[in-house]
Amino acid sequence: DVQLVESGGDLVQPGGSLRLSCVGSGFTFSNYPMNWVRQAPGKGLEWISYINGASKLIYYTDSVKGRFTVSRDNGKNSLYLQMNSLRPEDTAVYYCARDRPDWAVDYWGQGTLVTVSS
Amino acid sequence: QSALSQPASVSGSPGQSITISCTGTSSDIGGYNFVSWYQQHPGQAPKLMIYDVNNRPSGVSTRFSGSKSGSTASLTISGLQTEDEADYYCFSYAGSRGLVFGGGTKLTVL
Repeated sequence: DVQLVESGGDLVQPGGSLRLSCVGSGFTFSNYPMNWVRQAPGKGLEWISYINGASKLIYYTDSVKGRFTVSRDNGKNSLYLQMNSLRPEDTAVYYCARDRPDWAVDYWGQGTLVTVSS
Repeated sequence: QSALSQPASVSGSPGQSITISCTGTSSDIGGYNFVSWYQQHPGQAPKLMIYDVNNRPSGVSTRFSGSKSGSTASLTISGLQTEDEADYYCFSYAGSRGLVFGGGTKLTVL
């Protein structure tokens, strides 16, 4: 079975940094693009970042460009999100999500909570 | 990056049909046939219901269907059931901008 397990969420002060990780299993990780999607408390889904299997194509939503960096290590079946200069509005559950790959997400992790607060 | 536009809420009675619209631009929905729809129940991760505008993944009920006209995509649920009550999100490829979600629609089954 396909599984995605995120980790790394925590309480961090504004301006701080955090690195999220996601480990995939049950599929050939390198064959699939991956996304990060977040959901602020009581709010809708927000797509954050996309990375293709070879890390050659990367996209970010405007609000995180220059602050967040997505990467992957196919040897470790792992996806990462380095988050710098965190703001209170970055508070959300962050989901790791597998792309079909035709720009649709077919599997989601359980999410990891990031809280940015002083 | 503006979110795609969805109605905040829709409602229907069991057995009825409802349609949720998702309006974008020629740079996202209107430019590509890469629109997907997700169902999310409270406290759960989203679930893929429709991909590539009008395709259902294995295991998704045939009561769910998708379509697109110009820059507006639609999700139709026929024969409403109480378990369909959830939040629904559209999602589209947007070229160099990456991807974009709709703001979400809360479906209430009365």
